[in-house]
Amino acid sequence: AQRVTQPEKLLSVFKGAPVELKCNYSYSGSPELFWYVQYSRQRLQLLLRHISRESIKGFTADLNKGETSFHLKKPFAQEEDSAMYYCALFSGGYQKVTFGIGTKLQVIP
Amino acid sequence: EAQVTQNPRYLITVTGKKLTVTCSQNMNHEYMSWYRQDPGLGLRQIYYSMNVEVTDKGDVPEGYKVSRKEKRNFPLILESPSPNQTSLYFCASRLQELGSPLHFGNGTRLTVT
Repeated sequence: AQRVTQPEKLLSVFKGAPVELKCNYSYSGSPELFWYVQYSRQRLQLLLRHISRESIKGFTADLNKGETSFHLKKPFAQEEDSAMYYCALFSGGYQKVTFGIGTKLQVIP
Repeated sequence: EAQVTQNPRYLITVTGKKLTVTCSQNMNHEYMSWYRQDPGLGLRQIYYSMNVEVTDKGDVPEGYKVSRKEKRNFPLILESPSPNQTSLYFCASRLQELGSPLHFGNGTRLTVT
């Protein structure tokens, strides 16, 4: 069975401090991994996907297959980054999707 | 505008009264799915569909039904709602391509009394 673990329910950082939101996964095949952001119980919006190795709003995430991790990082937190962040894993052929329980990021001014 | 549209946004009903939450997408996506979001539990997949007439259970399918008669629509049906189905529901769709993300609707907040 596939599993996504986000160990921190709440992460509080000061504005300008570095941010790392952790995501570990368990899956026997080749995963597709994504980060989504949700502001104030609105719709989830795509933030990053492992396949594109892009940087969005200053966030980056690298897939580490050895450690089965896909941590989200940003060097300098901004107040507008305060939101819920979800890590998601898409399985292969059967297209099941598993989300972590989410981490609430709180950026303190 | 490319979007996933859910209706209604808010719904209050009573135990046992059948209801349907509609979901429609205009992006010609093959894949559609439903999730419920509960505090402390994140999003859990209810059902998904990889194409017309192809549906499968997610992690929490009990008490729900779906159908996929047309590519653009994927309604969620609660035949006999119960209070434990009070939740925030999201519909999402995506292309069946590697790396293609899910596009989410605005959500439906359901309260069953």
